[in-house]
Amino acid sequence: SQKIEQNSEALNIQEGKTATLTCNYTNYSPAYLQWYRQDPGRGPVFLLLIRENEKEKRKERLKVTFDTTLKQSLFHITASQPADSATYLCALAQYRDDKIIFGKGTRLHILP
Amino acid sequence: SAVISQKPSRDICQRGTSLTIQCQVDSQVTMMFWYRQQPGQSLTLIATANQGSEATYESGFVIDKFPISRPNLTFSTLTVSNMSPEDSSIYLCSASPGGGSYNEQFFGPGTRLTVL
Repeated sequence: SQKIEQNSEALNIQEGKTATLTCNYTNYSPAYLQWYRQDPGRGPVFLLLIRENEKEKRKERLKVTFDTTLKQSLFHITASQPADSATYLCALAQYRDDKIIFGKGTRLHILP
Repeated sequence: SAVISQKPSRDICQRGTSLTIQCQVDSQVTMMFWYRQQPGQSLTLIATANQGSEATYESGFVIDKFPISRPNLTFSTLTVSNMSPEDSSIYLCSASPGGGSYNEQFFGPGTRLTVL
């Protein structure tokens, strides 16, 4: 069956360190992979999109990698800050499909 | 980009009743989506709503239970019909101004529904 797996447990990271979140998938052939941030009581907010033929994408302190052989994406936040504390969701989109499928998300806590 | 608003933000309803959730986008968009998010769970796509055509429902969701309207390019409604406590959830709408899964989606703040 198709699965998108993210760390179900919360991730605690010391302020200033790099936070790395993992998204693994099975039985998908994604054309695009997106990362979103969700704060309590709010809708998700788009962060980054990476295509299957891209290995890495950066935006300010954020970096996403995409390894279609490992079927995995890594999401990095460098120089993390308490304001980065949130739930981070990965989402996959397949070719010729207009919808995206979300993982459950990983809760990230940046400790001051 | 797009700014999306939803009404109501929350509601408490009795079993057997129906609730209509409104979603307004500040710009014209081709594609709008309705999701459900239960506590601690991922967003589950209910249906895709395109203006001028019937909504496309995902497996496990049917039109009789979740009728959707899309009267124009900036507005959509989702009705949760004949509600039961299992329908208690957060309902989110989203839009993709660029169209397609290769563009970002913008989300509304969600409607928190509790069914007694």
